[in-house]
Amino acid sequence: LAKTTQPISMDSYEGQEVNITCSHNNIATNDYITWYQQFPSQGPRFIIQGYKTKVTNEVASLFIPADRKSSTLSLPRVSLSDTAVYYCLVAGGYQKVTFGIGTKLQVIP
Amino acid sequence: GAVVSQHPSWVICKSGTSVKIECRSLDFQATTMFWYRQFPKQSLMLMATSNEGSKATYEQGVEKDKFLINHASLTLSTLTVTSAHPEDSSFYICSAISTRDRGEKEAFFGQGTRLTVV
Repeated sequence: LAKTTQPISMDSYEGQEVNITCSHNNIATNDYITWYQQFPSQGPRFIIQGYKTKVTNEVASLFIPADRKSSTLSLPRVSLSDTAVYYCLVAGGYQKVTFGIGTKLQVIP
Repeated sequence: GAVVSQHPSWVICKSGTSVKIECRSLDFQATTMFWYRQFPKQSLMLMATSNEGSKATYEQGVEKDKFLINHASLTLSTLTVTSAHPEDSSFYICSAISTRDRGEKEAFFGQGTRLTVV
């Protein structure tokens, strides 16, 4: 299983772009990179998933370099409601899905 | 997207009693479901992997006789906390794996169950 490393916490002002980087040096060929958002007392919610290069959806972008040993979640123009914990998951066959510590993002007015 | 429903959202029980938590995949079939436990300000800790029609696989340190898992159908897995004690109070979350249109797998999570043992 690929182990992930993320910053424990980040602060950002409203309206700014936030980039959270996750390291996964042992990523396997069949692993996908998925980011989840979790609010207190709620289950994690899917944000974005990618395999390589760049993926963009209506809420975020995911940048993955060629070696795939890291990935960066980019949240454009964050608002107070984006305050949450963000988890980077690396999994392929999904026989087992484990979470790292996650990054607690605090958006400041 | 796929939906996973957990029930109940919260439960309070007396010490020594048992509590059952249900996890349902509403619009897809899930041969594999995962159960997690999350303590305040901590990450999700995988407790066990629930496999439809077979025994669950428990993580090291998780008592299988205390946390009974039954995955009797492709859309339902249950976690029963037996003889609950205050230290079992936690947030329990389940997830089910679905395959997306292009073959990528994705884990969908229930809303969680807050268990308080008094």
